[in-house]
Amino acid sequence: QSALTQPPSASGSPGQSVTISCTGTSSDIGDYNYVSWYQQHPGKAPKLMIYDVTKRPSGVPDRFSGSKSANTASLTVSGLQAEDEADYYCTSFVGDNNYVFGTGTRVTVL
Amino acid sequence: QVQLQESGPGLVKPSETLSLTCTVSGDSISSYYWSWIRQPPGKGLEWIGEIYYNGATKYNPSLKSRVTISVDTSKNQFSLKVSSVTPADTALYYCARHSGRSFPVWGQGTLVTVSS
Repeated sequence: QSALTQPPSASGSPGQSVTISCTGTSSDIGDYNYVSWYQQHPGKAPKLMIYDVTKRPSGVPDRFSGSKSANTASLTVSGLQAEDEADYYCTSFVGDNNYVFGTGTRVTVL
Repeated sequence: QVQLQESGPGLVKPSETLSLTCTVSGDSISSYYWSWIRQPPGKGLEWIGEIYYNGATKYNPSLKSRVTISVDTSKNQFSLKVSSVTPADTALYYCARHSGRSFPVWGQGTLVTVSS
């Protein structure tokens, strides 16, 4: 299973929106509604931000939203704040109790 | 509140076996699936494999021949072994708890360096 493809970087000014894509295949993202997104600040463990494509865990701001179309999932961060500057990783269930992560996107708040 | 703590040697010699343990506190290990995930320095995340409390396992096909995950319910722990390690196995190793098909709970991670 190959890693899901994410853009290496994305940026936006405070208050703007940024959308990160996560491209897979018909065997992973395209076949299952089990995409999740993780935020990772330097030196910290990843934090779950979105699960099952669109759901937010308790405590995650509603500025974070997820979506999916065919083989591509997306994470949108609206109303960018300084603390949103981090690395973001997608992951997808790929069947037979296996998972694949994305390549990661560094979000910079200008 | 559930907490996970990884432990094990921080330095392993090439060709030897890497061994790590994840201790679960605040919840029973018998309630969920549990995974190991690693991150080479400056690189992305890689799922290694998972285990259920009854010992059922699934592994990343790319690592399957070298990886063993086991569980000790009496100690509320699960463990990872990676055999025949090379410098490419140098990484921050995380243990994580599943909820459905996501990972809402992570340990702080432990760095393992493979070097002679």
